[in-house]
Amino acid sequence: EPEVTQTPSHQVTQMGQEVILRCVPISNHLYFYWYRQILGQKVEFLVSFYNNEISEKSEIFDDQFSVERPDGSNFTLKIRSTKLEDSAMYFCASEGHLYEQYFGPGTRLTVT
Amino acid sequence: EDQVTQSPEALRLQEGESSSLNCSYTVSGLRGLFWYRQDPGKGPEFLFTLYSAGEEKEKERLKATLTKKESFLHITAPKPEDSATYLCAVQGTTGGFKTIFGAGTRLFVKA
Repeated sequence: EPEVTQTPSHQVTQMGQEVILRCVPISNHLYFYWYRQILGQKVEFLVSFYNNEISEKSEIFDDQFSVERPDGSNFTLKIRSTKLEDSAMYFCASEGHLYEQYFGPGTRLTVT
Repeated sequence: EDQVTQSPEALRLQEGESSSLNCSYTVSGLRGLFWYRQDPGKGPEFLFTLYSAGEEKEKERLKATLTKKESFLHITAPKPEDSATYLCAVQGTTGGFKTIFGAGTRLFVKA
């Protein structure tokens, strides 16, 4: 059964550093999403992406964040200058034809 | 603004004791209401999509229903392996398919 994969599973970085989180969505899916979940809190929408463009972004997704699909398979989330409050679990999801989203296992980002 | 509120926050059941989880929502034009299961440290796992009021979906011991303001996830004769956090989420038809999640209901099923 196809699944969404994410790398790395855990990333530790220093405040101010850039990080790139990678996702491989399910092939033939067209809509992709990034979410974050701070420990013990709800899943928060960051951005939706379709046809190589951002469809919608939340207030969290400020100028420090960017997404791209560089090669038709990978889907990346870049945080330019990390802050302590960016520490969270980041999930990628891809959407099937009935609007259901399949989530990856997540990348735990720890900013020190 | 789209909103999702889930209740209760936590629910403790004995094995075999059926119950329901509630999801109240407001959305401008419903594209879909979704139920997910999340185990600790893992990504949400898709359970159901509901598209319009009156719709019902079933899978094993779970049944999801939808009205214009609420959705219920009914759990019949739960087993310990049903212990998890159950998340409700909505997508509106406008705004680029922003998905709003509720805080979830943590379900504990004791043998």
